[in-house]
Amino acid sequence: EVQLVQSGAEVKEPGESLKISCKVSGYSFTSYWIGWVRQMPGKGLEWVGIIYPGDSDTRYSPSFQGQVSISADKSISSAYLQWSSLKASDTAMYYCARALVRGVNYYFDYWGQGTLVTVSS
Amino acid sequence: QSVLTQPPSVSAAPGQKVTISCSGSSSNIGNNYVSWYQQVPGTAPKLLIYDNNRRASGIPDRFSGSQSGASATLGITGLQTGDEADYYCVTWDSSLSVVFGGGTKLTVL
Repeated sequence: EVQLVQSGAEVKEPGESLKISCKVSGYSFTSYWIGWVRQMPGKGLEWVGIIYPGDSDTRYSPSFQGQVSISADKSISSAYLQWSSLKASDTAMYYCARALVRGVNYYFDYWGQGTLVTVSS
Repeated sequence: QSVLTQPPSVSAAPGQKVTISCSGSSSNIGNNYVSWYQQVPGTAPKLLIYDNNRRASGIPDRFSGSQSGASATLGITGLQTGDEADYYCVTWDSSLSVVFGGGTKLTVL
C-alpha cells in the first residue's frame, strides 16, 4: 500500500527555520517524483516544487524559488521542505504528493495527510 | 489570482448532473493536458482525472473530463451528497510552473 506520512504540526516564530518531512512507503522511493503543495487558510492549492529522489533533480515554482528548499534522503525514503527564515505569510497547510511526470504534465496520485505550519509571534 | 479561471461555486440536486469549467489560455490548457482534483474539506486532495479525460484508479465513471481549445470541463453525473467538495483543475503553464485553478465549491442541495 502506497503511503505518504508527513511530520506533525509546527508552531514557529517569524525568522525561525523549519524542515518538515514526508516519509513514503509501499513503492520505490527513487522511481517517482515527490511534489509539495501549499494551501493557505481558506484558500486554494498552490504548487511549491518537486524533486526526483533518484537523482535529486529539483524544480521550483517561480513563486517559491529562493523562498524554500526541497530535498530528499534516499536512505530513509523521505522528502523534505525547508525554510531558513519563516514569515507569517508562510502559515499554511503543506501537502506532499507522489507525482507521475510525463514531459511537462504532472499528476499527483498519492498524497500525504498534510503538515500545518503556523508562524506567529 | 490563478491563470486558470473556475467558477467559485456550483450547485445541483442529488441525482442531477453538474459541470465545472476551467478557462485558461494557449500558455497552459491550450497546449498541455489538464487534470482534476477533488478536495473534501479537511482532507488531502484526490486525483480524479488526468490527461484531460482519463479517470484515475478507482474513480467511478460518473466523473468525466474534456478539453477544447483553452478550456477544460469536469462533469459529474448522478450527484451524491458525498460529492460535496472543492474541485481544482491543474495544468502546466509556460511560466514554468504547475498551475492550479482557483477552485470550485460544489454543493449538492
